[in-house]
Amino acid sequence: SSELTQDPAVSVALGQTVRITCQGDSLRSYYATWYQQKPGQAPVLVIYGENNRPSGIPDRFSGSSSGNTASLTISGAQAEDEADYYCNSRDSSGNHVVFGGGTKLTVL
Amino acid sequence: QVQLQESGPGLVKPSETLSLTCTVSGGPVSSDSYYWSWIRQPPGKGLEYIGYMFYSGSTSYNPSLKSRVTISVHTSKNQFSLELTSATAADTAVYYCARGAWLQFSDLFDPWGQGTLVTVSS
Repeated sequence: SSELTQDPAVSVALGQTVRITCQGDSLRSYYATWYQQKPGQAPVLVIYGENNRPSGIPDRFSGSSSGNTASLTISGAQAEDEADYYCNSRDSSGNHVVFGGGTKLTVL
Repeated sequence: QVQLQESGPGLVKPSETLSLTCTVSGGPVSSDSYYWSWIRQPPGKGLEYIGYMFYSGSTSYNPSLKSRVTISVHTSKNQFSLELTSATAADTAVYYCARGAWLQFSDLFDPWGQGTLVTVSS
């Protein structure tokens, strides 16, 4: 089992706001990084650090962190946001990268 | 911009060594600002970190795979590679190469290669 825990599935109505979470003890020391993966495609970086978006990522994507929980928020979800979302950070030793199990986002 | 492309056999026999190469274009692998990484995804499952290597030679491997994994950087060809020994069916996955970086207390992987499916079967 992963040291980062994500809900397996989340749904959101079109245009509404959704929060996807990632929990783990290491998140008290490190920020989570977030990726979006659509079927048959490689993951794409969407959020890193405190709350940074690479160029080309819409500003409806934002990140936050509190205690042992990191969150990816999509404000005004669009149909094209339907995808799997993964977080990554470090393990409890701080020496190794770990990924969360992923969250499947459905836009209704 | 930097692009990565995986290559290697799509079928490996059990107990043999799985070997993949990632060709980097648009930037040098000879930079210690980044680490050159492998990540895999079994069919229908989540992402699993395999490991990474800095150009300087330092490495980090997933503890669960460490005894079987070697990652190398080849500057003359601007490539890096993965070797996974004693392959089993559990190693069947899409293998991705990615460029890693440490920024603001976070590891980020960007860009990624398109991925290559490796099946371990006799």
